[in-house]
Amino acid sequence: KQEVTQIPAALSVPEGENLVLNCSFTDSAIYNLQWFRQDPGKGLTSLLLIQSSQREQTSGRLNASLDKSSGRSTLYIAASQPGDSATYLCAVRRNNDMRFGAGTRLTVKP
Amino acid sequence: NAGVTQTPKFQVLKTGQSMTLQCAQDMNHEYMSWYRQDPGMGLRLIHYSVGAGITDQGEVPNGYNVSRSTTEDFPLRLLSAAPSQTSVYFCASSFGGEQFFGPGTRLTVL
Repeated sequence: KQEVTQIPAALSVPEGENLVLNCSFTDSAIYNLQWFRQDPGKGLTSLLLIQSSQREQTSGRLNASLDKSSGRSTLYIAASQPGDSATYLCAVRRNNDMRFGAGTRLTVKP
Repeated sequence: NAGVTQTPKFQVLKTGQSMTLQCAQDMNHEYMSWYRQDPGMGLRLIHYSVGAGITDQGEVPNGYNVSRSTTEDFPLRLLSAAPSQTSVYFCASSFGGEQFFGPGTRLTVL
């Protein structure tokens, strides 16, 4: 059974810092990995999708990497802003099954 | 293009009542799915569908039924609500492995 873990559960940083969020998974036979952002009381917004054949994806200040062999992905956020405050979730997909981590709650202080 | 829509946004039920959570998407995606999100846990897959007329169980299917008569709609039915089904429910559709989520339905069962 695939298990997905996100560490830390919560993170607080001052504005402007670069930061890394971690996601680990137990079964490396994945189809893809997706990072989401969730604001309080809202749905999930897709940030980055990494296919199993890819090593990384970039969008603006966000960079996600994937190392299937070690069962790890990282989400790098450059020059953090208060508007980045949210919960960040990673999810791994194998066939039609998708498993989520519990998320990292990020607070960026002005 | 409305994306993925869900109704209602909030619902309170008494134990034993039945109801249907509605989900619709206008992106012509074949894959649709239902998740529940509980505090401190990641999203868990309830049921999914790979196309009209085809549904299958996810990680936590007990107590829920689904059907898929059209590409656009994927309703989730609770036949006899229980307090353990108090949760936030998200519907999603997928294309090319990337999932797009609706805004969620917050359900409370008393």
